[in-house]
Amino acid sequence: QSVLTQPPSVSGAPGQRVTISCTGSSSNIGAGYDVHWYQQLPGTAPKLLIYGNSNRPSGVPDRFSVSKSATSASLAISGLQAEDEADYYCQSYDSSLSGYVFGTGTKVTVL
Amino acid sequence: DVQLVESGGGLVQPGGSLRLSCAASGFTVSRNFMSWVRQAPGKGLEWVSTIYSGGRTYYLDSVKGRFTVSRDNSNNTLYLQMNSLRAEDTAVYYCARLRPSSQGGHFDSWGQGTLVTVSS
Repeated sequence: QSVLTQPPSVSGAPGQRVTISCTGSSSNIGAGYDVHWYQQLPGTAPKLLIYGNSNRPSGVPDRFSVSKSATSASLAISGLQAEDEADYYCQSYDSSLSGYVFGTGTKVTVL
Repeated sequence: DVQLVESGGGLVQPGGSLRLSCAASGFTVSRNFMSWVRQAPGKGLEWVSTIYSGGRTYYLDSVKGRFTVSRDNSNNTLYLQMNSLRAEDTAVYYCARLRPSSQGGHFDSWGQGTLVTVSS
């Protein structure tokens, strides 16, 4: 059972900006643990998208950005493109569970 | 280049056992933190286990006592021994390299996954 909550789906037209929220609690995001984001294209393994404070692995465009507040975080995709259609997951660490936790996942649809 | 290749998945009856392997290249498994993450069909990602470079291991509560993570330094391979398997263990199992930090850590490299199906 995921302890990080994301909206099941978001959608937008090409070129638009969409945001995905990731809501946690005082034992994970609220405890100061970093939030990281992964992209999973259909039928493939997850890929690290953004880690820590807006760090992007080589090849990830700057159209992807993140923000973080007390017990939540958000991923924004600007200039939405057809290739962005995928599932997105947030991830953090939970001190109560003594383990790594993932969000429930959000499916992004490009209209 | 970093590469992770899982193998060993398959169909197993409830109560049975299976050992997954993850062959690594481009880096040394024993000098890194390595993890297993699973994804049930049509569901989200779930962390299963981590082995630190020093050998300490950690597990998801629901697999404690049933799953064991280990590594073979000579073959640069990570393993997951799964015993007393249950239907709810059915998933694609990914091995991933964990980059630890004082604020948690993230998984920077993933294998392609291997499917484990527990069914009679």
